[in-house]
Amino acid sequence: DAMVIQNPRYQVTQFGKPVTLSCSQTLNHNVMYWYQQKSSQAPKLLFHYYDKDFNNEADTPDNFQSRRPNTSFCFLDIRSPGLGDAAMYLCATSRDLASRVLSQYFGPGTRLLVL
Amino acid sequence: SQKIEQNSEALNIQEGKTATLTCNYTNYSPAYLQWYRQDPGRGPVFLLLIRENEKEKRKERLKVTFDTTLKQSLFHITASQPADSATYLCALGLDTGRRALTFGSGTRLQVQP
Repeated sequence: DAMVIQNPRYQVTQFGKPVTLSCSQTLNHNVMYWYQQKSSQAPKLLFHYYDKDFNNEADTPDNFQSRRPNTSFCFLDIRSPGLGDAAMYLCATSRDLASRVLSQYFGPGTRLLVL
Repeated sequence: SQKIEQNSEALNIQEGKTATLTCNYTNYSPAYLQWYRQDPGRGPVFLLLIRENEKEKRKERLKVTFDTTLKQSLFHITASQPADSATYLCALGLDTGRRALTFGSGTRLQVQP
């Protein structure tokens, strides 16, 4: 089945220790997104890739970076995690046809705990 | 500022009844609106999309309405079942420029058997 996969499902890191979350997709979608979601809050978009073009949200801290080496994979790097970065990180994909954005397909998420 | 509002309080209904969830928005002119279901500890799952020129969309037991004058969408689940218990998120988007969706914080639905 075509899907969005996130690894690991749970990640524990120490305050200030860099961490990388990964996402892969078999849908061959051209757009990939990273969201941060804290308990009972809306998913907050951090950035997205339209093909190879990186689009950062204005309020995304510099501490968050992303890489998309190919269509299938996308990584979220947190350079120096703080306690406030503990959250669920969601990867999503969509197929963008001539600026008509269709529905998004989400992975199961990675829950990050910062000690 | 732009705002999307969904009832933060959980909606509790009896099995078999119709659940109605509300999504209101301000300072926003979305081209379309989407509804997602999210179970605890999981990613959201797409349910329905409705465009600004559509009044109503249906899919099995689900119905969505979109009133751009009231700046409101209603999401209905008819003949609700305990398996429908989850958090339901609305999300707004534009057809041009910014491609990303803006999500509401969701309303938790609890269907009692």
